[in-house]
Amino acid sequence: AQSVAQPEDQVNVAEGNPLTVKCTYSVSGNPYLFWYVQYPNRGLQFLLKYITGDNLVKGSYGFEAEFNKSQTSFHLKKPSALVSDSALYFCAVRDGSNSGYALNFGKGTSLLVTP
Amino acid sequence: DSGVTQTPKHLITATGQRVTLRCSPRSGDLSVYWYQQSLDQGLQFLIQYYNGEERAKGNILERFSAQQFPDLHSELNLSSLELGDSALYFCASSPRLAGSGELFFGEGSRLTVL
Repeated sequence: AQSVAQPEDQVNVAEGNPLTVKCTYSVSGNPYLFWYVQYPNRGLQFLLKYITGDNLVKGSYGFEAEFNKSQTSFHLKKPSALVSDSALYFCAVRDGSNSGYALNFGKGTSLLVTP
Repeated sequence: DSGVTQTPKHLITATGQRVTLRCSPRSGDLSVYWYQQSLDQGLQFLIQYYNGEERAKGNILERFSAQQFPDLHSELNLSSLELGDSALYFCASSPRLAGSGELFFGEGSRLTVL
């Protein structure tokens, strides 16, 4: 099955600094990769996706992600973090192996942006 | 607001009981997915329906079942509940079976089993 891994449980960054949330993937074939964000007591919100094309994908709220095939990574980035970016971030990969195309999620990374 | 509606938002019940969680997908979406989120297991895919038919199964226990009705709403039935079933259950929908892939999530139903 297709899978992703998020090696960090928590990332701390000061407001105004750049942030990176890491994700690596393990897939057969071409990956469909996603980032979602979850605010406390809320559902998951789609941020961005990579299917094909440019390795740098731009998404919502100023976030972007860099697809790196040689390193099998899809790291989420933002040039200047905001306190309001503090949330739980999930990387996901579409699993076409079971004919349903569900998304398989990583364990999530908690991002804390301090003033 | 994603357009996906889940009820109830919170549910407290006892071990051994049965509950039903309901999901209304976004208007026009044919595919419905159920996920379970817990602290120890993370976000686990349970089951998917497309236009009324089961399409994929994930880590769903035999005590759990789901269905999608002709009006496309879906229900997740959890029976013989155990303490470990306490979790946040999410429904997500998408327009087609595959398509561009992103799913639209509801706010979740928080189940507490005492």
